[in-house]
Amino acid sequence: AQSVAQPEDQVNVAEGNPLTVKCTYSVSGNPYLFWYVQYPNRGLQFLLKYITGDNLVKGSYGFEAEFNKSQTSFHLKKPSALVSDSALYFCAVRDPEYGGATNKLIFGTGTLLAVQP
Amino acid sequence: DVKVTQSSRYLVKRTGEKVFLECVQDMDHENMFWYRQDPGLGLRLIYFSYDVKMKEKGDIPEGYSVSREKKERFSLILESASTNQTSMYLCASRVSGSVYEQYFGPGTRLTVT
Repeated sequence: AQSVAQPEDQVNVAEGNPLTVKCTYSVSGNPYLFWYVQYPNRGLQFLLKYITGDNLVKGSYGFEAEFNKSQTSFHLKKPSALVSDSALYFCAVRDPEYGGATNKLIFGTGTLLAVQP
Repeated sequence: DVKVTQSSRYLVKRTGEKVFLECVQDMDHENMFWYRQDPGLGLRLIYFSYDVKMKEKGDIPEGYSVSREKKERFSLILESASTNQTSMYLCASRVSGSVYEQYFGPGTRLTVT
């Protein structure tokens, strides 16, 4: 079965330190991978995506993600965390069983990032 | 900017009531989606629509139905609300094509008592 795993329910980091939010996937074929962020009482906002090409993808708010095919991972990173980065982060992968234009996504369970001042 | 709006931010309904959740997008997107979000479970797809009057079941369609009569509007219907449908409901839309991201509305927090 196709799946996405976010192994950490919560990540704590001090402001100014680098942060990593982990994501691993299991899908057939080439994965299309996405990261979203959810601030309190808000909908999800798109951060970045990997479709093909360079393994390091840059996105909004200074975030980047590294696609690693051998480790089937797509970890979200930021060199220097801000208190305002505190939010819930979701990794998602396109479900290849829904081919063509529809692009049904499979979401992970989310990781709460807490950045301490 | 893409804008996806949902009719209510907070909704309280009684068990057995028929509930309508409305979603409107302003970017002429072909695809629209309804998810529910529960702690520890992430987002689970209820239904999606790839075009007007077209719909497909997602992972958890039981107890729900949908309607898409116009391209910009996608409605989620709870025929007879139950307490286990208390949740955050999120609507999303996107351009047709597998490489494109989804854009989400602010969500409706539904409580069924």
